[in-house]
This record gives sequence, structure tokens and C-alpha cells, in this order.
Amino acid sequence: QQQVKQSPQSLIVQKGGISIINCAYENTAFDYFPWYQQFPGKGPALLIAIRPDVSEKKEGRFTISFNKSAKQFSLHIMDSQPGDSATYFCAASNGGSQGNLIFGKGTKLSVKP
Amino acid sequence: DAGITQSPRHKVTETGTPVTLRCHQTENHRYMYWYRQDPGHGLRLIHYSYGVKDTDKGEVSDGYSVSRSKTEDFLLTLESATSSQTSVYFCAIGDRTGLSGNTIYFGEGSWLTVV
Repeated sequence: QQQVKQSPQSLIVQKGGISIINCAYENTAFDYFPWYQQFPGKGPALLIAIRPDVSEKKEGRFTISFNKSAKQFSLHIMDSQPGDSATYFCAASNGGSQGNLIFGKGTKLSVKP
Repeated sequence: DAGITQSPRHKVTETGTPVTLRCHQTENHRYMYWYRQDPGHGLRLIHYSYGVKDTDKGEVSDGYSVSRSKTEDFLLTLESATSSQTSVYFCAIGDRTGLSGNTIYFGEGSWLTVV
């Protein structure tokens, strides 16, 4: 019940295309869903996050779509650029004292010029 | 960067030797975490701390111990390193306040190779 399942494992997109990464969770107590971006040799960095009271959050070219009934959320990268090539992790947690983030296994995105 | 320093950044050690990784923060965050990252496994929580001398186990705590004697420092110790502990180790911090309460911020990582 603590898992967060992320797909695909890897993704190749042409420059200017839309990148879509999906995550599914099981624990209905989860109430915080961040996405992290990691470049090679660096630590993961928070990209964008959403709470379940909204169905979508947009920051620049990055959008999180959230479907509470399906227990799924996804990251959309519009107009993908080669500089977006990185590994992306979804995560989920609840706000309680045991609210540590549970991470998906990551998606390696390559954006081809 | 979020005011997190990990040391050493790279280390090669022999099987059976003890190893200590250090995480130092300048943000005065209450929570500190140690994760390991391995291909195909993503980020897995080893141990975390919710205050000075207050620690708890994560998903993959076997073979690891931690200590936190000061707010700013969180140490991860491998008592007797094994080849399966070859990994990249990330320290993270967070304070669990406000609307982004569960956000955590990662350090740059420590690459450990056990030969």
C-alpha cells in the first residue's frame, strides 16, 4: 500500500514534443505529490508539486495532472527541450508523523534535437 | 543548492571496513534523511531523523546506523561495508511546515564503492 508506481522507465521525445510521465499510488492517505528532476551527477531537485484539492497545476512548461478517483498523477512537459533531458521522479506522502516521501523508480527522459 | 554539504563526495573502500558519511546543513531544518540511489530501484530511504538524537529506520536500514548529535549534522555509518552497499548516497532535509510541508531538499550525493 506504500508503493508509487512510475512509468515509463525511459522516454525519448523529439524537441518541441510533449513528454508525459505517469505515476499511480495505492495509499489513499497520501496528500502531497511532488515531482523531482535529477541531472547526471547531481541530487534530485524539486520541480513541481500538487495537493489533491486541485486537478491540475501548471508552472511554465511543466504541468501536473491529478486524478484522485483513479489514484494517478502525471507530469506533462510541453515543448520539450534538450535541456529537459534528465531523470524524473514522482513521489507521494501523507501529512502525518510518518509522512516520509515514497518515490517512484524514475523515468529517464531524453529529448532529441 | 539548499545549504547541504555531503562529505566525502567520493570514496572507495574495502569490504569489511567501517565507513561514515557526513551530512551538514545550514538551513536549521528539523528533518534529515539518508537515501540510497541504485539503478532500477530509484530512491530508497535508509534512515531519517526528526530531531537531535531522534532517529528512525527507513525502507532499507539493515547494515546502516545513524547519529544526530547536533541539528546541523547527520551521520550515516556502514559498520562493515559490503559490495551490496556500493551506491550513491543522498542526504536530504525538510521541515514539514506550511503548504509544502513534505518537500525535501537533496544534497549533491556521495559516491561509495566497496571493493
